[in-house]
Amino acid sequence: AQKVTQAQTEISVVEKEDVTLDCVYETRDTTYYLFWYKQPPSGELVFLIRRNSFDEQNEISGRYSWNFQKSTSSFNFTITASQVVDSAVYFCALSEAYSGAGSYQLTFGKGTKLSVIP
Amino acid sequence: NAGVTQTPKFQVLKTGQSMTLQCAQDMNHNSMYWYRQDPGMGLRLIYYSASEGTTDKGEVPNGYNVSRLNKREFSLRLESAAPSQTSVYFCASSDPGTGGREQYFGPGTRLTVT
Repeated sequence: AQKVTQAQTEISVVEKEDVTLDCVYETRDTTYYLFWYKQPPSGELVFLIRRNSFDEQNEISGRYSWNFQKSTSSFNFTITASQVVDSAVYFCALSEAYSGAGSYQLTFGKGTKLSVIP
Repeated sequence: NAGVTQTPKFQVLKTGQSMTLQCAQDMNHNSMYWYRQDPGMGLRLIYYSASEGTTDKGEVPNGYNVSRLNKREFSLRLESAAPSQTSVYFCASSDPGTGGREQYFGPGTRLTVT
């Protein structure tokens, strides 16, 4: 069975600090996909990034970067120079390659609440 | 494009009442999903529909039914609401056929059962 663990329930940082959100996953599949979503206080869920298991290259998008390491089954998310607008709950999710029913179910972690203090 | 829309945004029900949550997407996606979000529990899949005409149970299907009305619309019905169904409900869609496994979410419905 798939499992996603976000051990950090809540993190507080002061604005402009860097912060890393941890995500550890378990799967028996050799092909899978990993995702990060952001849920700001307004409540909507915003897709941030998808990674497949064949691509271990780290990715950077502005102040956001993602570190995917298959050897440790981790897909960590770093925000550089955090801003108040980064305050949100962040979810890591895992999708197996194929659910057998023509769809790809996501297994979510329980989320990490990030508070950026001005 | 509106993306994924859900109605209503808020609802209060009494125990035993029934209601249907509506979801529609305009992205021509094949797959649609219903989740519930409870504090500290993350998102849990209730039901999903891989394509028009098919539906399957997710992790927490008890007390719910779904209908995939057409490719665009996927509704969630509570036949006899219980306080344990107080939650925020999210609908999502995806199009795995084009290579994108990510799901796009609606704004959510906050349901309170008293």
